[in-house]
Amino acid sequence: GAGVSQSPSNKVTEKGKDVELRCDPISGHTALYWYRQSLGQGLEFLIYFQGNSAPDKSGLPSDRFSAERTGGSVSTLTIQRTQQEDSAVYLCASSPGPVETQYFGPGTRLLVL
Amino acid sequence: GENVEQHPSTLSVQEGDSAVIKCTYSDSASNYFPWYKQELGKGPQLIIDIRSNVGEKKDQRIAVTLNKTAKHFSLHITETQPEDSAVYFCAARGGYGGATNKLIFGTGTLLAVQP
Repeated sequence: GAGVSQSPSNKVTEKGKDVELRCDPISGHTALYWYRQSLGQGLEFLIYFQGNSAPDKSGLPSDRFSAERTGGSVSTLTIQRTQQEDSAVYLCASSPGPVETQYFGPGTRLLVL
Repeated sequence: GENVEQHPSTLSVQEGDSAVIKCTYSDSASNYFPWYKQELGKGPQLIIDIRSNVGEKKDQRIAVTLNKTAKHFSLHITETQPEDSAVYFCAARGGYGGATNKLIFGTGTLLAVQP
């Protein structure tokens, strides 16, 4: 079946602009995660959604970062007033439920000039 | 919070040899340890995982071992093939509260299998 999809696959923006990254989880998966992968680094947790519960935002690096999940499915990660240090690969994952295996999408490669 | 260390950062082996990647974790309450393979330009793909009530798990040429006392776990790949070349990440998930909401990843191992 279809896996996790993300769009765009690549995004180049200018410093100070806002960007929106989209994630479509696997159908039926109630849990959704965003991670950030900087060059040569491991994955850094950003935010977690589970069903209708309040999201775990403990990994968001600053108030310029926000995310929402509409209808328990699609999620959008928004970065306002982008900075060069925001350049990274942003990965989305979903799982059938909490504390279950996470399946990752291909990521969005963000470059802030 | 949880911290995961991974070694080595790079590993080069000859085709047919074995490869071993090691990780240590800090939170003794962690109870789930997946391994992901990431090829260039792609997202991480789960290759094997182990839970804290099991000491070893094997799937064809891939095996993972867990030592809860020492808080370390290892990935073993036997009879390596060129298509095994990729970056491998270990991860750990906490056992209580908010720690169960996320995976904490190691910094990755670049495995190169020489034909």
